[in-house]
Amino acid sequence: SQTIHQWPATLVQPVGSPLSLECTVEGTSNPNLYWYRQAAGRGLQLLFYSVGIGQISSEVPQNLSASRPQDRQFILSSKKLLLSDSGFYLCAWSMGLLYNEQFFGPGTRLTVL
Amino acid sequence: QQQVKQSPQSLIVQKGGISIINCAYENTAFDYFPWYQQFPGKGPALLIAIRPDVSEKKEGRFTISFNKSAKQFSLHIMDSQPGDSATYFCAASPPGYSTLTFGKGTMLLVSP
Repeated sequence: SQTIHQWPATLVQPVGSPLSLECTVEGTSNPNLYWYRQAAGRGLQLLFYSVGIGQISSEVPQNLSASRPQDRQFILSSKKLLLSDSGFYLCAWSMGLLYNEQFFGPGTRLTVL
Repeated sequence: QQQVKQSPQSLIVQKGGISIINCAYENTAFDYFPWYQQFPGKGPALLIAIRPDVSEKKEGRFTISFNKSAKQFSLHIMDSQPGDSATYFCAASPPGYSTLTFGKGTMLLVSP
């Protein structure tokens, strides 16, 4: 069966510091991968998605970037965090088949102080 | 045209009652409609999904009703329990599309 991991689970970072969040998927190959952000009590904002290694689509221009160095690894990065980057970051995967059945990871709670 | 409008924003239902959450869409190319359940501090979990070739799909106490002509679909939770208290998101996607369009979510509280 497939499993999705995210780490760290929680992170507190100062404004202006760099960020690296990691997501890995087990038990499948060539998945579509997604990064979402969820502000407190709010909906799901799609940040990036990838349909293959090295392929990244950005949905929202901001100071975040994503990379997919391996088939089942997706990384969210920032060179300098802003206060507004605080939130709950969710990674998701899908098989990229006809119907976009997405499965979410446990999330990373990021607080920027 | 890519939006999915979800209502209500929040809902309080008594234990044993029926919870109903509605979503409406404009894009007639949408043909996959999942619902997600999210507990505080957790990632959303896929609850149930429907395609427009059926008007209703039931899994346990959860039912999706789909009205293609009205471009609406809804989630019904029968015999609601306090453990159902969570945020529910509807979503939609055209066939072969890489992303889902999500509604803004409904916070459900089932009172004991």
